[in-house]
Amino acid sequence: DVKVTQSSRYLVKRTGEKVFLECVQDMDHENMFWYRQDPGLGLRLIYFSYDVKMKEKGDIPEGYSVSREKKERFSLILESASTNQTSMYLCASSYPPGQGDSQPQHFGDGTRLSIL
Amino acid sequence: AQKITQTQPGMFVQEKEAVTLDCTYDTSDPSYGLFWYKQPSSGEMIFLIYQGSYDQQNATEGRYSLNFQKARKSANLVISASQLGDSAMYFCAMRLTGTASKLTFGTGTRLQVTL
Repeated sequence: DVKVTQSSRYLVKRTGEKVFLECVQDMDHENMFWYRQDPGLGLRLIYFSYDVKMKEKGDIPEGYSVSREKKERFSLILESASTNQTSMYLCASSYPPGQGDSQPQHFGDGTRLSIL
Repeated sequence: AQKITQTQPGMFVQEKEAVTLDCTYDTSDPSYGLFWYKQPSSGEMIFLIYQGSYDQQNATEGRYSLNFQKARKSANLVISASQLGDSAMYFCAMRLTGTASKLTFGTGTRLQVTL
């Protein structure tokens, strides 16, 4: 089974802190994604990566950056946390499109981040 | 740009009954895939079912089936014989074929199964 592991289920940080959310997958997937989930808004894509050291902005990248130094690990960074970044953060991974369009994204359990 | 619309914020269904969760989508691209995910209160996203835009038959996976009406751009999820464990948020999502696997999600429907 595919396993996507997020480093924390719950995290509380203070305004202005630099926050790191870590995600590791064990299926050798090329693609990795970071979403945030807010009530009534569904999941929105922050950033994604289709290879080591490669990244692309999603729909809401402002205030975030990412790092992918190894294939299995994708980090989301909040450069200076603000209260409006309090949310549920979900990491996902998948094969690239050429390996089967029916292949779903596999998700981690999520990190509930509170910025005080 | 793609858009997914789920118009039912919340639904109730009695145990053992069938329920349909609505999903409509908007894209001008002819090649795409549609996914449904379940999210229990614990938070993990569980993949349920997939339908490709060129698939001739509606997808089925156990108690889940997808009522795909391409001309109406709808991809409704049907859950038969509902169980208490089906209580969760359900998300419809779309991916354009050949893109970098990006998914566009709807806002979700919260399903509550009652005795």
